[in-house]
Amino acid sequence: AQSVTQLDSHVSVSEGTPVLLRCNYSSSYSPSLFWYVQHPNKGLQLLLKYTSAATLVKGINGFEAEFKKSETSFHLTKPSAHMSDAAEYFCVVSDRGFGNEKLTFGTGTRLTIIP
Amino acid sequence: DSGVTQTPKHLITATGQRVTLRCSPRSGDLSVYWYQQSLDQGLQFLIQYYNGEERAKGNILERFSAQQFPDLHSELNLSSLELGDSALYFCASSVGGAPTNEKLFFGSGTQLSVL
Repeated sequence: AQSVTQLDSHVSVSEGTPVLLRCNYSSSYSPSLFWYVQHPNKGLQLLLKYTSAATLVKGINGFEAEFKKSETSFHLTKPSAHMSDAAEYFCVVSDRGFGNEKLTFGTGTRLTIIP
Repeated sequence: DSGVTQTPKHLITATGQRVTLRCSPRSGDLSVYWYQQSLDQGLQFLIQYYNGEERAKGNILERFSAQQFPDLHSELNLSSLELGDSALYFCASSVGGAPTNEKLFFGSGTQLSVL
């Protein structure tokens, strides 16, 4: 069975400071991992994905995430927060098993940017 | 704009009723996914269709059913509605059938309120 745990339900950072959103995963197979972002009253948008190539994955809007197998983590970072980054962020895992592939979403982390 | 269209945006109904949610995928996408987002359950995968056929199933109740039509649009039918079915229902689409390898494009959702 696959699952993700987002360690913080809410993160607040000041504009211009680094962002760290934490995610741990559990997977029976070699996982694919994603981060999606949901802005208020909008659908989800893919930020980045890891599918067993480079362990450091770069996404849109300056975000990146590092896959660490030894720590079963896939934390999302950004060097400098912008007001437009305020949103809900979801860590997602997909088992690359046989059949019935599906994405499992974490409970989300709400990111607040302080002016 | 993701290119995925969901109608209606809002739906208010009473317990015991039946409703139909509609989703038009992006042009060229063969897969449609349905998700339910609620405060207590988070984002839950319901079901996926690929080119008219059911591809994967998640936590979909027996009172719920879906189908994908020859023009690739999809409908999610919710019957015998209960208060707990109140949620935001998202549709997503992708080109292929394996979510592990795909970028999903999400619609803006249908907010269902059961009174």
